[in-house]
Amino acid sequence: NAGVTQTPKFQVLKTGQSMTLQCAQDMNHEYMSWYRQDPGMGLRLIHYSVGAGITDQGEVPNGYNVSRSTTEDFPLRLLSAAPSQTSVYFCASSSPFRGSGANVLTFGAGSRLTVL
Amino acid sequence: LAKTTQPISMDSYEGQEVNITCSHNNIATNDYITWYQQFPSQGPRFIIQGYKTKVTNEVASLFIPADRKSSTLSLPRVSLSDTAVYYCLVGDAGTGGFKTIFGAGTRLFVKA
Repeated sequence: NAGVTQTPKFQVLKTGQSMTLQCAQDMNHEYMSWYRQDPGMGLRLIHYSVGAGITDQGEVPNGYNVSRSTTEDFPLRLLSAAPSQTSVYFCASSSPFRGSGANVLTFGAGSRLTVL
Repeated sequence: LAKTTQPISMDSYEGQEVNITCSHNNIATNDYITWYQQFPSQGPRFIIQGYKTKVTNEVASLFIPADRKSSTLSLPRVSLSDTAVYYCLVGDAGTGGFKTIFGAGTRLFVKA
């Protein structure tokens, strides 16, 4: 099925550990992005990419790294996890609506991360 | 990116029509209006997008007045399963299209 695939779905880390959240899309979308959503809150943009080799910071980039070596993949790295990074992480890819409108985002199912 | 303002929460009953209005006074000429729906523990899902007048699909209708400074998402005959958070976003396919910033959204609670 076409869409955005995120792994893992659940992860528990200890403070200071590192890990990578994987995101892959098979819709040939140029744009991909990562969001985090804390309980009862809205989504906050972490990093985004407008194409392979091009990434930029969003609203809350500190503590996260990204890279975009292929169109399909956009991994999010936590170098040294902190309890404040406990959240649900959503990856999204996007393309213009019907080819000419504003971008429409397709989200993955999310990765729930707990940092102890 | 145009800032949007929408109610924090709304309550409704099954079978009623629900209208959620979003204000975007600083909307630019090239901006489109897009609505998303998010259920608990899921990522947002695209509902509808429009530029002007009225757009309708199988899920909802979007009404946009001539000045485009606001828009109204209309959900006909809601059911309990329409309980969700609804986000209104404004942006174009250029600089705003990929750096998509979400606001707090409107929490719709549908009661039996």
